[in-house]
Amino acid sequence: NAGVTQTPKFQVLKTGQSMTLQCAQDMNHNSMYWYRQDPGMGLRLIYYSASEGTTDKGEVPNGYNVSRLNKREFSLRLESAAPSQTSVYFCASSLRLAGTYNEQFFGPGTRLTVL
Amino acid sequence: AQSVTQPDIHITVSEGASLELRCNYSYGATPYLFWYVQSPGQGLQLLLKYFSGDTLVQGIKGFEAEFKRSQSSFNLRKPSVHWSDAAEYFCAVGAQGNQFYFGTGTSLTVIP
Repeated sequence: NAGVTQTPKFQVLKTGQSMTLQCAQDMNHNSMYWYRQDPGMGLRLIYYSASEGTTDKGEVPNGYNVSRLNKREFSLRLESAAPSQTSVYFCASSLRLAGTYNEQFFGPGTRLTVL
Repeated sequence: AQSVTQPDIHITVSEGASLELRCNYSYGATPYLFWYVQSPGQGLQLLLKYFSGDTLVQGIKGFEAEFKRSQSSFNLRKPSVHWSDAAEYFCAVGAQGNQFYFGTGTSLTVIP
């Protein structure tokens, strides 16, 4: 049982390049999330998927796109990377039940640098 | 709007001393509250959570937190800190759509 896995662990891009961050969970969770973590700013939600087939914007969606490929996988795409997107990216998942808020389980993160 | 405030950016304590990390939240309904810990270079791990019932909740690694509705607070405590507790701690509140709102974190340094 691997929990939440993310690939790659590290990535360096040049401004304007594109890339996709991959995330998978094996806990049969229905909700998945992408966050970015920047010093002094905590975690900020980029996009989330409450259930398979749905995605919604979070607090900082600009410059990103997501795909909920199936129940297990949720990818984050940077179409044209900018230095402001240098950050640590975390994927998380949770079992969303009506009327409650279950804890989110986090992956190990992807450290992205955009030059 | 929902928000979480962690007033202390950085705290330093001696090993064996007690610890209290502050968290204040703003939320219109009954809050669902969480504390997470992040060790350097790692993801976040859940320490404890509060949904309802007893306002004092126990978590892993000897941590506890107390929910005080009148003060909109959910402070994290530990009676005796160990060097391995050095990490960053995040408070979060669950909101509509199962979104979480995180505080900016408190970095804990433990002095031997």
